[in-house]
Amino acid sequence: AQTVTQSQPEMSVQEAETVTLSCTYDTSESDYYLFWYKQPPSRQMILVIRQEAYKQQNATENRFSVNFQKAAKSFSLKISDSQLGDAAMYFCAYRIFTGANSKLTFGKGITLSVRP
Amino acid sequence: DVKVTQSSRYLVKRTGEKVFLECVQDMDHENMFWYRQDPGLGLRLIYFSYDVKMKEKGDIPEGYSVSREKKERFSLILESASTNQTSMYLCASSLRRQTQETQYFGPGTRLLVL
Repeated sequence: AQTVTQSQPEMSVQEAETVTLSCTYDTSESDYYLFWYKQPPSRQMILVIRQEAYKQQNATENRFSVNFQKAAKSFSLKISDSQLGDAAMYFCAYRIFTGANSKLTFGKGITLSVRP
Repeated sequence: DVKVTQSSRYLVKRTGEKVFLECVQDMDHENMFWYRQDPGLGLRLIYFSYDVKMKEKGDIPEGYSVSREKKERFSLILESASTNQTSMYLCASSLRRQTQETQYFGPGTRLLVL
């Protein structure tokens, strides 16, 4: 069974600084997708960034980038120039590459606070 | 933009009541999901459906059932609510034809069972 581990329950970052959120996963598959989702307080969960395992290049979306280490099964999220609006719960998630059963497996999440 | 709506943001029910949570999406997505979110446990999949009248058990289906009579609507049913079902319930949908299959989430229903 696939598992996703987010070992840090909480992190804090100063506004305008950079923060890295850690995620590791366990799978026997060679092709899969990885995701970071953001859940702001009392607001809907939204996708931040996704990475296909077959791509060696790390995904980037504006201030958000990932460090994908396939051999180490590590998928960390880096937030640059942190803003107050980045304060949220962040979930790492995994999905196998093929099949109709497109289940996501989520980590337990990490609460990020941003200090002004 | 994809829109996923849930019938209630907050719900208070009594033990033993039958509870219906409704989810509607407006983007013709084949896949729909029900999760529960609890502090320290993250999101856990209850049930999902990849087509009308199709359903599959997720990781924690006990005490729940689902119904998908129309493509846009996916209902979660608590046949006899219990206090351990107090939780945040999230609905999501995704387009199966799209290989990357981003899931789009609703705002959630916070259920309190007394």
